[in-house]
Amino acid sequence: KAGVTQTPRYLIKTRGQQVTLSCSPISGHRSVSWYQQTPGQGLQFLFEYFSETQRNKGNFPGRFSGRQFSNSRSEMNVSTLELGDSALYLCASSLRDAGEAFFGQGTRLTVV
Amino acid sequence: AQTVTQSQPEMSVQEAETVTLSCTYDTSENNYYLFWYKQPPSRQMILVIRQEAYKQQNATENRFSVNFQKAAKSFSLKISDSQLGDTAMYFCAFMLYFGNEKLTFGTGTRLTIIP
Repeated sequence: KAGVTQTPRYLIKTRGQQVTLSCSPISGHRSVSWYQQTPGQGLQFLFEYFSETQRNKGNFPGRFSGRQFSNSRSEMNVSTLELGDSALYLCASSLRDAGEAFFGQGTRLTVV
Repeated sequence: AQTVTQSQPEMSVQEAETVTLSCTYDTSENNYYLFWYKQPPSRQMILVIRQEAYKQQNATENRFSVNFQKAAKSFSLKISDSQLGDTAMYFCAFMLYFGNEKLTFGTGTRLTIIP
């Protein structure tokens, strides 16, 4: 059974640009969550999607957005990139209410 | 809101020894899950062990076991017969039951296994 797949693995963007990250969940999993990991703030919850609907949202500015498609694949978008957006972005998939979340390998975003 | 605290930023132990990582949490809820995740240098976040709050029995997975003290809001991880491959960041995490897939993480403990 394939795991959670995140693409791309690495990205370098310039301040002010926008970026889209992709996450394909484990087959059969309909919940996808996104996290930002930085040395200063640690692991922070961005948002969760289930059946194409955003169910939960963390405390991030509106520049951070996401969506989920009918096949459960999810994308997150960050507009008007700032240097502080440099981070490892992790995606997790789960069977909702099953109490388990499985992570992808992450996308390392560097904003210069 | 829930909080998770890991008070040991770094630990090291000799190979084959036993090590215990500490975690405390704070919540007013009664139904939740607790997890330990391992993040090796590859950055892949790997689920090590899970505990459901309603279960009094401590979870075990091979060399990994937890000491879950619900009243004290404590959730420690014991690694027995430690191996070089156990070298990683370990994160304690909390998730509420039902309707909320949000994980709240601690700040992590960097564990180094010394050959």
